[in-house]
Amino acid sequence: AQSVTQLDSHVSVSEGTPVLLRCNYSSSYSPSLFWYVQHPNKGLQLLLKYTSAATLVKGINGFEAEFKKSETSFHLTKPSAHMSDAAEYFCVVSVYSGGYNKLIFGAGTRLAVHP
Amino acid sequence: EAGVAQSPRYKIIEKRQSVAFWCNPISGHATLYWYQQILGQGPKLLIQFQNNGVVDDSQLPKDRFSAERLKGVDSTLKIQPAKLEDSAVYLCASSLQRGLHEQYFGPGTRLTVT
Repeated sequence: AQSVTQLDSHVSVSEGTPVLLRCNYSSSYSPSLFWYVQHPNKGLQLLLKYTSAATLVKGINGFEAEFKKSETSFHLTKPSAHMSDAAEYFCVVSVYSGGYNKLIFGAGTRLAVHP
Repeated sequence: EAGVAQSPRYKIIEKRQSVAFWCNPISGHATLYWYQQILGQGPKLLIQFQNNGVVDDSQLPKDRFSAERLKGVDSTLKIQPAKLEDSAVYLCASSLQRGLHEQYFGPGTRLTVT
């Protein structure tokens, strides 16, 4: 079965330092993977997606993620954290079944950014 | 472009009462999704519509939950009767079509069952 595991429930960084949010996936075939961000009282927003093209995927707001098949990982990174990056981040895998796609969300990682 | 609209934003009810949530997707989006997000967890798909037809409702507790999408536009999700474990945020999302098209999410309805 397809699934994702987010390895940290909380991550805390200082403003201006790098961000690393870790995600491992389980899939019997080449997966489609996503990162979504959820700010308080706002809807989920797509950060980036991997669909079997380039393994290094660039998203919005300076975020990027690298698909590593050998490690079954899809970690999210950003070189320099900003206060506005504080939010909940979800790693997501798409499952294809019966002619349609379904998103399976990880449990989420809450990112705190300190001045 | 207007986003996905949901109402109400917050609802508090007692167990065994009924409640309904409303969703207006982005204009022209054929696919509509309802998710349940329990505190501390990621969203879980409850039901997926393609136009006004149900594509997937395998995770919908059909003894108490129901959903419809009349005319392939707005959708309502109903819970009757509610249980304490139904306390969650209910998210509506829409996408242009099925497949790997981006899903756009509404702000959600936070339900508290006491």
